Amino acid sequence: GAGVSQSPSNKVTEKGKDVELRCDPISGHTALYWYRQSLGQGLEFLIYFQGNSAPDKSGLPSDRFSAERTGGSVSTLTIQRTQQEDSAVYLCASSSPGRGNEQFFGPGTRLTVL
Amino acid sequence: GEDVEQSLFLSVREGDSSVINCTYTDSSSTYLYWYKQEPGAGLQLLTYIFSNMDMKQDQRLTVLLNKKDKHLSLRIADTQTGDSAIYFCAAGTYKYIFGTGTRLKVLA
Repeated sequence: GAGVSQSPSNKVTEKGKDVELRCDPISGHTALYWYRQSLGQGLEFLIYFQGNSAPDKSGLPSDRFSAERTGGSVSTLTIQRTQQEDSAVYLCASSSPGRGNEQFFGPGTRLTVL
Repeated sequence: GEDVEQSLFLSVREGDSSVINCTYTDSSSTYLYWYKQEPGAGLQLLTYIFSNMDMKQDQRLTVLLNKKDKHLSLRIADTQTGDSAIYFCAAGTYKYIFGTGTRLKVLA
């Protein structure tokens, strides 16, 4: 596709369940990022991939959060044993090295933990 | 840690200019960015400026960078109702540090 896509667009889950969020970056973009936007707050960096490796996982809030990227393309963010404070919009972005290093964002997945 | 700060709200009349301000702490940022987020939508990249530039103009948008004071601004000329949105400033090298966003309200 032309842009970054994410699925699902909305996810409602019960506390304690695991969830998987998917990101399809722009074709050819080697870098992929996950951010979280909580209600009324700015965006919080979670993790950065270059190819399939994650040189910076410093933003993952706890060991319940993990992410992987396969084939240098699709990425999955997994949250285990979800808590209510995990409710947020999870945004994925991708970029290609070069001038500007602009990150292009997907529409996000709105996660609600009941 | 690194921080980016913005004022929360700005209200302007249609046709006036809007100026959204941002301060940042990460002096190593190679580029600084402005994003727009409309209700229920993702982040749209508006423009960016290289850290060794003072100004960049792109149609109705003008970005000013004062690197000494670590101050970035976005000026929108002839503001329209369609410009109503939240504007985020971001700084960084690979990972971005975002401000909390400035909600721009354009009054008809």
